[in-house]
Amino acid sequence: RKEVEQDPGPFNVPEGATVAFNCTYSNSASQSFFWYRQDCRKEPKLLMSVYSSGNEDGRFTAQLNRASQYISLLIRDSKLSDSATYLCVVTGASYGKLTFGQGTILTVHP
Amino acid sequence: NAGVTQTPKFQVLKTGQSMTLQCAQDMNHEYMSWYRQDPGMGLRLIHYSVGAGITDQGEVPNGYNVSRSTTEDFPLRLLSAAPSQTSVYFCASREGADTQYFGPGTRLTVL
Repeated sequence: RKEVEQDPGPFNVPEGATVAFNCTYSNSASQSFFWYRQDCRKEPKLLMSVYSSGNEDGRFTAQLNRASQYISLLIRDSKLSDSATYLCVVTGASYGKLTFGQGTILTVHP
Repeated sequence: NAGVTQTPKFQVLKTGQSMTLQCAQDMNHEYMSWYRQDPGMGLRLIHYSVGAGITDQGEVPNGYNVSRSTTEDFPLRLLSAAPSQTSVYFCASREGADTQYFGPGTRLTVL
């Protein structure tokens, strides 16, 4: 089983749609969780950290379920500019090692 | 701050050649990592470092060496390049559980 698993998609949604991505992780000792965004042929950049209580940043909401070992990202009112690959990222028991999921491709169309 | 810099941006090697990918950060970050990214595979960790003088293997370390003699620099050495090492390589740095910053990547082709 992979340490971090994501549905690779692709997800094709119209502008204004709501879309949700899920990610599961295998290491119950994982400490920190993140969503990164990667545009085509560019480096990944942090979208948001994921906290146990859930957190929101504008149209983006991230949630963590430690008992079930999954993380989710919800995007509301999708924009064309949201088209990218979304990467789920998990640390180990220490902060030294980050493990990335394979990414979920999102395409938002007019 | 320049952030994380990588050189070169592009490189073509022949099978069996060796080379070093350079990575530097000017944020005084403790942790540095090297990843490779292949289509459909996501980012896979090659080696990482939790401080100067300390390195450890990631998921796919074979064929690569690293060293961390200073906080700023974390070079990745390809000992004898193989076509299977054709990939995009990203270097990254961060402090503890904070945001990880990536360099712009090196696109390597091994013929």
